Amino acid sequence: AQKVTQAQTEISVVEKEDVTLDCVYETRDTTYYLFWYKQPPSGELVFLIRRNSFDEQNEISGRYSWNFQKSTSSFNFTITASQVVDSAVYFCALSEAYSGGGADGLTFGKGTHLIIQP
Amino acid sequence: EPEVTQTPSHQVTQMGQEVILRCVPISNHLYFYWYRQILGQKVEFLVSFYNNEISEKSEIFDDQFSVERPDGSNFTLKIRSTKLEDSAMYFCASSLGLAGAGEQYFGPGTRLTVT
Repeated sequence: AQKVTQAQTEISVVEKEDVTLDCVYETRDTTYYLFWYKQPPSGELVFLIRRNSFDEQNEISGRYSWNFQKSTSSFNFTITASQVVDSAVYFCALSEAYSGGGADGLTFGKGTHLIIQP
Repeated sequence: EPEVTQTPSHQVTQMGQEVILRCVPISNHLYFYWYRQILGQKVEFLVSFYNNEISEKSEIFDDQFSVERPDGSNFTLKIRSTKLEDSAMYFCASSLGLAGAGEQYFGPGTRLTVT
């Protein structure tokens, strides 16, 4: 069965610091997809990134970067020069390839509550 | 930018009552999902729907739950006889393709409170 572990329940940093959110996953599939979502205090879930298991290239988008390492089953998320607006709960999620041709649900981690202090 | 919408934003109901949560997915999306999030906990998958039938469902999605796409735009989740433990935020999501072809976009959620 698939599983996503976000060991950091809460992280608090001062604005402008860099912060890394950890995500470790378990799956038996060789084809799978990894995601990060942001949940700000308003409650909606905002898509940040999707990665497939065949693409281990790291990705950078502005102040955000993601480090995918299959060898350690990790998909970590780094925010550089954090800002107060980055304060939110961040969820890592996994989806296994579904060979039946139907839709596939995401398995979420428990989330990391990131607090950026001014 | 197209978005997933959900109504109502907050629903209060008494235990044992039926509730219907409504969602309008993004118009050209083909795959539809319901998730729930009990307060302070992780988001949990309930059910996925494609080609007018359930594709996949979790253990949470028991006989008390049902989904329907009654017309070309709405996607509903019905809970037949609500229990206190059904109190949660319910998110609808839609995607253009499977996980490898399209990310799931989530609606703002419906907060269900069962008293």
